[in-house]
Order: sequence, then C-alpha cells, then structure tokens
Amino acid sequence: DIVLTQSPGTLSLSPGERATLSCRASQTVHSSYLAWYQQKPGQAPRLVIYGASSRATGIPDRFKGTGSGTDFTLTINGVEPEDFAVYYCQQYGFSLYTFGQGTKLEIK
Amino acid sequence: EVQLVQSGGGLVQPGRSLRLSCEASGFTFDDYAMHWVRQVPGKGLEWVSSLTWNSAHTTYADSVKGRFTISRDNARNSLYLQMSSLTTEDTAFYYCVKDAEFDNSGYFEYWGQGTLVTVSS
Repeated sequence: DIVLTQSPGTLSLSPGERATLSCRASQTVHSSYLAWYQQKPGQAPRLVIYGASSRATGIPDRFKGTGSGTDFTLTINGVEPEDFAVYYCQQYGFSLYTFGQGTKLEIK
Repeated sequence: EVQLVQSGGGLVQPGRSLRLSCEASGFTFDDYAMHWVRQVPGKGLEWVSSLTWNSAHTTYADSVKGRFTISRDNARNSLYLQMSSLTTEDTAFYYCVKDAEFDNSGYFEYWGQGTLVTVSS
C-alpha cells in the first residue's frame, strides 16, 4: 500500500499568512489521483483539491495544489479565519485509497 | 444540491451485525460510484469500501474484507453497508461518500454527515 506522510503535524499561523502543507508518498502517485480535504470540528470532510491541482466547486482561489510523483503541496495564500481546520491528503492506486494522517492548521 | 442522508448507526455488541444506510438526492444516483469512509473519533480517515455505479465492481479495505458488504439500490437512490462480526476496532464515524464519476475518479466528491457506530459490550 502507498503510505502518505503529511507535515507538519500542526501549523500555527496568523490570519493573512501563507500556509504550506506537505504530503509525501512512499511510492509514485499518479497526479490525477491525489486529493486534499478540509475537515472542521464536528463536520464531515470537504473536498478542496483533486487531480493534485484542480480546485473543487466553491473553493476560493487562495487554495493551490501543486506537486507530482511523491511530493505534493497544498498552499493557502492569505489564510482566512474559516480556513483553520485539519487537512488530509489522499491517494488512489492499485484499487485502494489511503489518507495521510492530517495537518492541523491552527490560529497562532 | 447533493444530499447524502445517513442512518443506521448506534451501539452494538462485539460479534454482532449492523446495517448502515445512505439515501441520496440532488443528483442522478445511478450515474456515480459510491464509497464508505470511516473515522475513529479524534483520529484520521480510513477508506472502507467502494462500489461502481452498476454494482459490477466492489473493493474493500483489508481491515473489513470478508466482514463488510457494500451494496446499492439504484431504484431507491440508496447505498448500504452491511457490517458483521463487529469488533471494538470498528468503532468509528462512518461516512457515505459520492464519487465524481460512474467508476472511480480517485477522489471523494461529496460526503454525508456521518453516523457513529460504537461496538461495545
């Protein structure tokens, strides 16, 4: 199975700063099959990025997904108060889906 | 508006069975693959099972293979997860999830509200 490792575990930032979240895979991931989700307390996850770089419906353009191969990044340019949440990366390969362990973006 | 309304969670004893349901609306249900994803409270996400639009192809995580069965009734716009031989390790929130394609797009487009399954004696 492909293991996804996210870093950092927790990211403390002030509103307006840039957030850079990393997701590293144990094997090459096809870019079409790399996604990012946002989860706020008490809520279901929400799709943010799919295909490594495409924004989901309703996601503002301050969210940007980049990367290929084994290294992927979610960047939030100018974090807004509503962006503080846990973010998960996810891949699909060999008919299996796996998630990273999550990065918590918290208010500094 | 896509809606996935889940039901069927609750407290169940180890070794027993439970069936989760998910009723879909706001889209053409039989055009899309569907999935179940679970989350132990306070922990990360774990994919459980997937089903293509016509039920021709199902996949399961190793942790549930042989114990859980995913199914759908396109006439009722509903997805199901039959869980048997439950253990305390199966305690989690279970999410019904819509795919973006009829087969597997590789990601989870819309999520239900989740239902808590607690396995305890």
